[in-house]
Amino acid sequence: DGGITQSPKYLFRKEGQNVTLSCEQNLNHDAMYWYRQDPGQGLRLIYYSQIVNDFQKGDIAEGYSVSREKKESFPLTVTSAQKNPTAFYLCATAPRGDTEAFFGQGTRLTVV
Amino acid sequence: LAKTTQPISMDSYEGQEVNITCSHNNIATNDYITWYQQFPSQGPRFIIQGYKTKVTNEVASLFIPADRKSSTLSLPRVSLSDTAVYYCLVGVLPFHAGNNRKLIWGLGTSLAVNP
Repeated sequence: DGGITQSPKYLFRKEGQNVTLSCEQNLNHDAMYWYRQDPGQGLRLIYYSQIVNDFQKGDIAEGYSVSREKKESFPLTVTSAQKNPTAFYLCATAPRGDTEAFFGQGTRLTVV
Repeated sequence: LAKTTQPISMDSYEGQEVNITCSHNNIATNDYITWYQQFPSQGPRFIIQGYKTKVTNEVASLFIPADRKSSTLSLPRVSLSDTAVYYCLVGVLPFHAGNNRKLIWGLGTSLAVNP
């Protein structure tokens, strides 16, 4: 929401190309997450990070990579190894010890 | 994993109270119950969260019976702008060390509010 910026909102790429989705937050939250949402499905966790320079695989990490070099930033790279990359990608953050997640507005990636 | 079951869709009219019930039979002792709202092409927005009994905030109420195997989200006097998908989640964020009760997002309930 207001403190989480995902860019761009829409992204088109050719098949076989890597693409990086940006997620920046100014909420000073420790945890950051990447989810994927496909039509008619719930959100699925790709990667998450609890602290700078550390991240964990979620349920569908294959074909994706992340980095957490700064607390404010958690970029997601969709590699050519991801077999079905077209989806709506959502970044979320959460403060330490809290159970509420705050979501960005999402990036809709279309691979042609 | 804490699986939830909720109706796929519901219809209502402006000004009515809407109750969406979610079943979560295998809820664990440490699990919270959280509801999110999502509009098309937007990120989900937190509505309310509870552990037991009743929780109320400025937008909704959450009723949780003693056995915690279900919960009901109550939206008072809905308006057209409440048309959205509502997700019921049970568990905790994969934030706490050693946690293996990650939130599972189901299909949600698509609520349509009519004039």
